[in-house]
Amino acid sequence: DVKVTQSSRYLVKRTGEKVFLECVQDMDHENMFWYRQDPGLGLRLIYFSYDVKMKEKGDIPEGYSVSREKKERFSLILESASTNQTSMYLCASSLWSGEGNEQFFGPGTRLTVL
Amino acid sequence: GESVGLHLPTLSVQEGDNSIINCAYSNSASDYFIWYKQESGKGPQFIIDIRSNMDKRQGQRVTVLLNKTVKHLSLQIAATQPGDSAVYFCAENALSGGYNKLIFGAGTRLAVHP
Repeated sequence: DVKVTQSSRYLVKRTGEKVFLECVQDMDHENMFWYRQDPGLGLRLIYFSYDVKMKEKGDIPEGYSVSREKKERFSLILESASTNQTSMYLCASSLWSGEGNEQFFGPGTRLTVL
Repeated sequence: GESVGLHLPTLSVQEGDNSIINCAYSNSASDYFIWYKQESGKGPQFIIDIRSNMDKRQGQRVTVLLNKTVKHLSLQIAATQPGDSAVYFCAENALSGGYNKLIFGAGTRLAVHP
């Protein structure tokens, strides 16, 4: 089974702190994604990566950056956390893009910014 | 697919009844669709998918119907069980900004009562 793991289930940070959210997948997937999930808004794509050292902005990239130095690891960085970034963050991976690109999700990190 | 709202629609059913969860998607060029189930405190899990050249696909106790004419997707769950209680998301695969991306709906909460 594909396993996507996220470094923390719960995080509490202060406004202005730099925050790192780590995601690792163990199935040699090419594609990795970061989403945030807010009540009633579904999943919104922040950034994605289709290859090592490659990154593309999603629908809501402002305030975030990402890093993909190794194929299995995709990090989400909040350069200066703000209270409106309090949310559930979900990482996902898929083997390829396009038709049939089922995404496998991690358990999520619930981030609270005070 | 693109419907966004502050309140999550809820479907309440009795244990043993059949459930039908509906989803309207936005892009007539979308070629692939997925249903995910998200239980409380967990990441979304794949349930079933369907390609755009099909109008029906069956799994174990679940059936997905696709009506491309009206851009409508539905998930039918037979003999609903308490373990089916969760939030269900539809997702459409569409080309956006030169890349294939999954676009998620806001979700429907399924509540199963004994």
